[in-house]
Amino acid sequence: AQSVTQPDIHITVSEGASLELRCNYSYGATPYLFWYVQSPGQGLQLLLKYFSGDTLVQGIKGFEAEFKRSQSSFNLRKPSVHWSDAAEYFCAVTSGNTPLVFGKGTRLSVIA
Amino acid sequence: DGGITQSPKYLFRKEGQNVTLSCEQNLNHDAMYWYRQDPGQGLRLIYYSQIVNDFQKGDIAEGYSVSREKKESFPLTVTSAQKNPTAFYLCASSTSTGTGVGASFGQGTRLTVV
Repeated sequence: AQSVTQPDIHITVSEGASLELRCNYSYGATPYLFWYVQSPGQGLQLLLKYFSGDTLVQGIKGFEAEFKRSQSSFNLRKPSVHWSDAAEYFCAVTSGNTPLVFGKGTRLSVIA
Repeated sequence: DGGITQSPKYLFRKEGQNVTLSCEQNLNHDAMYWYRQDPGQGLRLIYYSQIVNDFQKGDIAEGYSVSREKKESFPLTVTSAQKNPTAFYLCASSTSTGTGVGASFGQGTRLTVV
């Protein structure tokens, strides 16, 4: 069965600092991987996705993520965080023909 | 604009009552999903449907029911058998089950049992 682990429940960073949110997945074959962002009381917005090819993928809002098969990881990064990035972030995985399986999320707080 | 519409945004239910959450999409997507979100629990799959008149249980289907009579609609009924229905419910759709460009999400319905 597929599963996703986001080890950090809550992260606080200073505005302008770099950010890395961790995601580890469990799946036997090559997964389809996603990062979504959710503002309070809202739906989820897709930040980026990985299907195949280049293991470093670029997304919206200046985010990027790197797929590392050897570590079963798909960590999300941003070089300089803005206050508007404060939100909850979800990593998700699918085999390609099954519904998305989500991690429990990481809440990001940004301080001045 | 294409998208997914969930209604209502807030819903209050008395204990013992059934309640139906609406989800409509105009993206011409084949697959639709219902997820439940609780604080610290992420999103958990309730039901999904890949085609009209067919649907499958997800991880936490007990106490819920769905129908898929039209491609664009996938209502979720929270029955009185659901022991802890207070949660945030998210509807999603995709071109096929989990593939393509990923799923698009509605804005959610917050259900509170009073």
